[in-house]
Amino acid sequence: GAVVSQHPSRVICKSGTSVKIECRSLDFQATTMFWYRQFPKKSLMLMATSNEGSKATYEQGVEKDKFLINHASLTLSTLTVTSAHPEDSSFYICSARDPSGRGSTDTQYFGPGTRLTVL
Amino acid sequence: RKEVEQDPGPFNVPEGATVAFNCTYSNSASQSFFWYRQDCRKEPKLLMSVYSSGNEDGRFTAQLNRASQYISLLIRDSKLSDSATYLCVVNIKGSSASKIIFGSGTRLSIRP
Repeated sequence: GAVVSQHPSRVICKSGTSVKIECRSLDFQATTMFWYRQFPKKSLMLMATSNEGSKATYEQGVEKDKFLINHASLTLSTLTVTSAHPEDSSFYICSARDPSGRGSTDTQYFGPGTRLTVL
Repeated sequence: RKEVEQDPGPFNVPEGATVAFNCTYSNSASQSFFWYRQDCRKEPKLLMSVYSSGNEDGRFTAQLNRASQYISLLIRDSKLSDSATYLCVVNIKGSSASKIIFGSGTRLSIRP
């Protein structure tokens, strides 16, 4: 299947710092990528839809000024957690659809996730 | 009511058993359906898409009932490696964009 990578896989930072997470589609171009957050033993919650060349669409309750999303190319979307606090500690996962037709066009391929711990 | 609801689990069954998971969705605009598997502290991975005609992939069988808005996953001859959380995923197509909704997942534990 299609491959999506994320970097870093794990980050530990002090409260108040900003953290940037990268999501890359390695073998396909993704006009749309998705950012999720998952707390322990909970399901994935969609945070925002990242659109190449335009503004991201945020889900209700997600602060766009806190979670900055940039989708500057067809293979890269970044999520920046600004002024991170301990309550932002979570597992952040990105996904992308492969529009080339492999499998269902609705199939999402997930990155391996980034575990953020804010001290 | 949640948009996608799953059996809460956890299911704890012996190796070789057959186990079935259920999932219901509330939005009739739902267009496509999937089962994903997520291992502890890992990302979800696509297990199979779910089609109206039902589909089978080895030991796994998925069924969709649009009238009842119900999806199921059946695992036969379960293996220890089947232990994971199984996520029911629904794609809802709106007027301008589609949206993926995840169920809360059902934990499965296979014992020797």
